[in-house]
Amino acid sequence: AQSVTQPDIHITVSEGASLELRCNYSYGATPYLFWYVQSPGQGLQLLLKYFSGDTLVQGIKGFEAEFKRSQSSFNLRKPSVHWSDAAEYFCAVGASGSARQLTFGSGTQLTVLP
Amino acid sequence: DAGVIQSPRHEVTEMGQEVTLRCKPISGHDYLFWYRQTMMRGLELLIYFNNNVPIDDSGMPEDRFSAKMPNASFSTLKIQPSEPRDSAVYFCASSLVGGNYGYTFGSGTRLTVV
Repeated sequence: AQSVTQPDIHITVSEGASLELRCNYSYGATPYLFWYVQSPGQGLQLLLKYFSGDTLVQGIKGFEAEFKRSQSSFNLRKPSVHWSDAAEYFCAVGASGSARQLTFGSGTQLTVLP
Repeated sequence: DAGVIQSPRHEVTEMGQEVTLRCKPISGHDYLFWYRQTMMRGLELLIYFNNNVPIDDSGMPEDRFSAKMPNASFSTLKIQPSEPRDSAVYFCASSLVGGNYGYTFGSGTRLTVV
């Protein structure tokens, strides 16, 4: 079975600074990987996804993520954070092939200082 | 498209009462998922449907929980009788071809059982 670890429960950055949120997964084959963002009182919104091909994927809101098979990682990055990026971020893994459900990490809460 | 629609947004009920949560998936999506989110346990998959048929309900915590999908545009999650430990945010999500292409989440129902 697949699993996801987000080692950082809470991260604080200043507005305009760069951001990297960590995600490590466990899965025996090539996984499908996702990053979601959740604003307070809202559902989760898909930021980006990786299935295959180019290991650097671009998403919405200026986010990108890099799949590193050797490190079992799929870290989320943004070069310059905006105050509106303050939210909770979830990494998720899905098994390729016939499996249907995603497994979510425990989330990283991002605080942006003015 | 209006997205995944959940109702009600908030529900406060007394212990022992029956609670019914509702979900309208995105038209054309063939998978529907029910998740529960709590501070302690994060996002937990309760059950999911494919073409209105329940596929995996192993995440349903107890027999007090039941879910139905009578047609492609409607699903319910029922708790009877409700208990304080059921207090959580319940999310519905839908997708095409399972979770491999990412889910679209509803805004959730915040349930409080007193």
